[in-house]
Amino acid sequence: AQTVTQSQPEMSVQEAETVTLSCTYDTSESDYYLFWYKQPPSRQMILVIRQEAYKQQNATENRFSVNFQKAAKSFSLKISDSQLGDAAMYFCAYRSDNSNSGYALNFGKGTSLLVTP
Amino acid sequence: DTGVSQNPRHKITKRGQNVTFRCDPISEHNRLYWYRQTLGQGPEFLTYFQNEAQLEKSRLLSDRFSAERPKGSFSTLEIQRTEQGDSAMYLCASSRSGANVLTFGAGSRLTVL
Repeated sequence: AQTVTQSQPEMSVQEAETVTLSCTYDTSESDYYLFWYKQPPSRQMILVIRQEAYKQQNATENRFSVNFQKAAKSFSLKISDSQLGDAAMYFCAYRSDNSNSGYALNFGKGTSLLVTP
Repeated sequence: DTGVSQNPRHKITKRGQNVTFRCDPISEHNRLYWYRQTLGQGPEFLTYFQNEAQLEKSRLLSDRFSAERPKGSFSTLEIQRTEQGDSAMYLCASSRSGANVLTFGAGSRLTVL
């Protein structure tokens, strides 16, 4: 089974600054998808950004961007111009593109992001 | 589109009792997923439906757990003879066929005393 590792249990950033959250994964597959989900306190999980492994170009969504290093199996999330509303748990997730491997998302343990004024 | 709805939001029960959670997915989504999330952990996959067919089950889904999606719309997750280790947030998510992105509900929190 593919494993997803988030080595930073907690991170802190000042408002308007930039922060990078780390994620590494282990897989023998070549086709897969990677995601970052955000889970605010007591609220539902929402998608922040996704990346298809076959795409070399890093995905961006407004203030959120990723650094996808396929050979290194690394998928970090950069949040620019951090806002108070960015405070949440952030989960990195992997999904195989092989139907024989199932369609389940494999999540990391999460990184708690604190944003200070 | 009212999103993925889960009920109840919080259930407190005594060990040994049965509990049932309900998930109403987004209406046009034919895939439905159940996950379990314990404190300090990421969500762990339990099971997945495409329409009414349960296509995948995790080893985490012991014989005390059963999930159904009888008409391919809402789904129920029943836990029989609850144990304290079952205390967790149970998350439901849905998606269209072929879509990679899951839409999650707010979750149902189970506390077993």
